[in-house]
Amino acid sequence: DAGITQSPRHKVTETGTPVTLRCHQTENHRYMYWYRQDPGHGLRLIHYSYGVKDTDKGEVSDGYSVSRSKTEDFLLTLESATSSQTSVYFCAAQRETYNEQFFGPGTRLTVL
Amino acid sequence: AQSVTQPDIHITVSEGASLELRCNYSYGATPYLFWYVQSPGQGLQLLLKYFSGDTLVQGIKGFEAEFKRSQSSFNLRKPSVHWSDAAEYFCASGGATNKLIFGTGTLLAVQP
Repeated sequence: DAGITQSPRHKVTETGTPVTLRCHQTENHRYMYWYRQDPGHGLRLIHYSYGVKDTDKGEVSDGYSVSRSKTEDFLLTLESATSSQTSVYFCAAQRETYNEQFFGPGTRLTVL
Repeated sequence: AQSVTQPDIHITVSEGASLELRCNYSYGATPYLFWYVQSPGQGLQLLLKYFSGDTLVQGIKGFEAEFKRSQSSFNLRKPSVHWSDAAEYFCASGGATNKLIFGTGTLLAVQP
């Protein structure tokens, strides 16, 4: 278990406002990921990080940005939230080998 | 490209009955394979994993899965289902990159 926490756990915001979600891990894993989960789509990768200041896009990255200034923290930012970004967001950290990922509890975001 | 298919979107079983959830993967080499479980409102919890070696792997909560290379499958099984097993189950595959590929999930309902 990578001791992953996410904050906030729930957020309601309005269209056009910026939103930042935080993911924190305690196990010093190099790789971290942000997913969104929507009915019928399973988990879709938004962005991931392979080290401090090293990030890359996933399959649904439009409208999202990320930052990783410390190994333990991975931030996801919605620059200008839209209703289509209403979703449950999960953060994960991965062991160096074998792709084994550990997930946080999720953040439920509602954009009105 | 690596892919994962879970053919069953919903499955309903009676409590005490046996369970098999199907998972097929597409990958040229031996993949890393995982099953995760997600209870309502929760994050994903790792049930079991396969990296190499013995093709029958045991996991938590009485689950097991068998890797069959000839069928490109990694089906999840449990001999006797409990009401608390009602959840969504995700199969995932890794190995080609530092990312996991997830299936779209199977929602398990348990009838009393």
